[in-house]
Amino acid sequence: ETGVTQSPTHLIKTRGQQVTLRCSSQSGHNTVSWYQQALGQGPQFIFQYYREEENGRGNFPPRFSGLQFPNYSSELNVNALELDDSALYLCASSLAGQGNSPLHFGNGTRLTVT
Amino acid sequence: AQRVTQPEKLLSVFKGAPVELKCNYSYSGSPELFWYVQYSRQRLQLLLRHISRESIKGFTADLNKGETSFHLKKPFAQEEDSAMYYCALSAMRAGNMLTFGGGTRLMVKP
Repeated sequence: ETGVTQSPTHLIKTRGQQVTLRCSSQSGHNTVSWYQQALGQGPQFIFQYYREEENGRGNFPPRFSGLQFPNYSSELNVNALELDDSALYLCASSLAGQGNSPLHFGNGTRLTVT
Repeated sequence: AQRVTQPEKLLSVFKGAPVELKCNYSYSGSPELFWYVQYSRQRLQLLLRHISRESIKGFTADLNKGETSFHLKKPFAQEEDSAMYYCALSAMRAGNMLTFGGGTRLMVKP
């Protein structure tokens, strides 16, 4: 069983730039969720993708966008980076159609915006 | 709006002592509650969920709808229980769109 993998592990960007984070879901999973975790806080839900479409979104502005591919992998894109976007970005996969099946998390991408 | 509150940032106990990590929530509908745990240098993982009504690694949690709480308990703490614990809520059958609390760091001293 292949777990959730995220790349890159660390990233440093400048304010105003754009960034793309990548996630490969666990084998057999068809749903991908993204969370933002600021230092000292719990993860905050950004959005979820199922069947290549966004099917739920948290309280994040439109400059946070995503994609899901036919192989269920996913990207998180953030435009016009702000200093407050500095955080750990977590990807989690699960299997839709089984109620709230457990989320399987990746190790995260640490984004620093300077 | 959904909200999860974990009032303690840090909980320190001695090995063998009872542990209770507090979690309170606010949600108008039917919630599903979870505890996730992150051990040192490991990824966040599910510990238990209220609908399973099971004990995992000696931990239990009971959903109290009257008090809107889902406290995590263990009668005798072990050093290997030291970790970051997050309480989380989702609307029933909402496909895992979780609202997390701020987390409690549990330190079990020898």
